[in-house]
Amino acid sequence: EADIYQTPRYLVIGTGKKITLECSQTMGHDKMYWYQQDPGMELHLIHYSYGVNSTEKGDLSSESTVSRIRTEHFPLTLESARPSHTSQYLCASSEQNYGYTFGSGTRLTVV
Amino acid sequence: DQQVKQNSPSLSVQEGRISILNCDYTNSMFDYFLWYKKYPAEGPTFLISISSIKDKNEDGRFTVFLNKSAKHLSLHIVPSQPGDSAVYFCAASWGIQGAQKLVFGQGTRLTINP
Repeated sequence: EADIYQTPRYLVIGTGKKITLECSQTMGHDKMYWYQQDPGMELHLIHYSYGVNSTEKGDLSSESTVSRIRTEHFPLTLESARPSHTSQYLCASSEQNYGYTFGSGTRLTVV
Repeated sequence: DQQVKQNSPSLSVQEGRISILNCDYTNSMFDYFLWYKKYPAEGPTFLISISSIKDKNEDGRFTVFLNKSAKHLSLHIVPSQPGDSAVYFCAASWGIQGAQKLVFGQGTRLTINP
């Protein structure tokens, strides 16, 4: 049973549209992360958060933004989607130790 | 600069035999290593981990070996089963300002043949 939820699972959207990818976790984890993965490539960290009102950019530059108003919620927003944003977006959370729990991901296609 | 590398994009193994997946890293600051398994259209799931103070960790059919001098780790699956067919990601962790960040390799697609 998943404790971290991502919606939508799949999204096809036109260029220029604003989109928000949702991520929620019920484990009370302080730390949350967004990774981006292209097929056959490694996962790249694009955003992370230590807790409420904390957001940091990851190793891979991204035009997306995130917010952390509540512990359980870490949405990712693209103000104007472009075909180059087509990818899989994975949300994860963790406690003080090192294990991450991942959501099922959102596969985004921008046409 | 890729800090975690999985040089084999794919591996095919017969059912019942041993599967060995390899991973190399360059950053000596890494202090914890993990393996994740990923099925298509799903998020990665945690498989097994090892601390840098150990050289081996075993969990059922899965064993991870760490060679710090060579900056190399491997995942052994024995015996391999059809349900093991998936993409396996090696990841390394180090802590910055209280947030453990994971750095992932490119993944190795393992196919178990009947």
